[in-house]
Amino acid sequence: GAVVSQHPSRVICKSGTSVKIECRSLDFQATTMFWYRQFPKQSLMLMATSNEGSKATYEQGVEKDKFLINHASLTLSTLTVTSAHPEDSSFYICSAPDMYEQFFGPGTRLTVL
Amino acid sequence: AQKVTQAQTEISVVEKEDVTLDCVYETRDTTYYLFWYKQPPSGELVFLIRRNSFDEQNEISGRYSWNFQKSTSSFNFTITASQVVDSAVYFCALSEYNNNDMRFGAGTRLTVKP
Repeated sequence: GAVVSQHPSRVICKSGTSVKIECRSLDFQATTMFWYRQFPKQSLMLMATSNEGSKATYEQGVEKDKFLINHASLTLSTLTVTSAHPEDSSFYICSAPDMYEQFFGPGTRLTVL
Repeated sequence: AQKVTQAQTEISVVEKEDVTLDCVYETRDTTYYLFWYKQPPSGELVFLIRRNSFDEQNEISGRYSWNFQKSTSSFNFTITASQVVDSAVYFCALSEYNNNDMRFGAGTRLTVKP
């Protein structure tokens, strides 16, 4: 099946710094990718839809200036958490659909000190 | 708007017991897709099943089976003869036809004790 990768798998950063997370579809092209956030012992919550060649669409309550999304190519979407704070510590998961399925990346665990 | 409810927060069973995880959904679309995923402690989502709204046939895959009933908007998941390796969080999810994004239920944490 199709594979979606994420990099890095884990990141620890200091409060106030920015962190970039990459999501790649390895063997198919994805005009759309999705970013989810999962706090400990909670469900996955959709943050935004990343659209190749156009602006991302954010879910209600998600700050677009804090979570910058760039879908630069048909196989790469990046999520940048700007000026990260401890409350941004979470598990971030991306997904990419092909015609039939949604494929999830392995996730990135962000810890902000 | 779509919504998925997994009322069981945590379930604990002893190995070899059967266990059913409940999932109830809401959607206005007539065409939609339902999913179950397993999330082990590593965090990576493991795809278990995808079912479209026009296919109400129950499905069995080894020890796993799924019961889809549109009349009650439910898509329940049963593990027969549970094993310790089945311990994980299980998520039910819904995707509507015109939207590729997926809405997840709150998840059910299953613990299978030896």
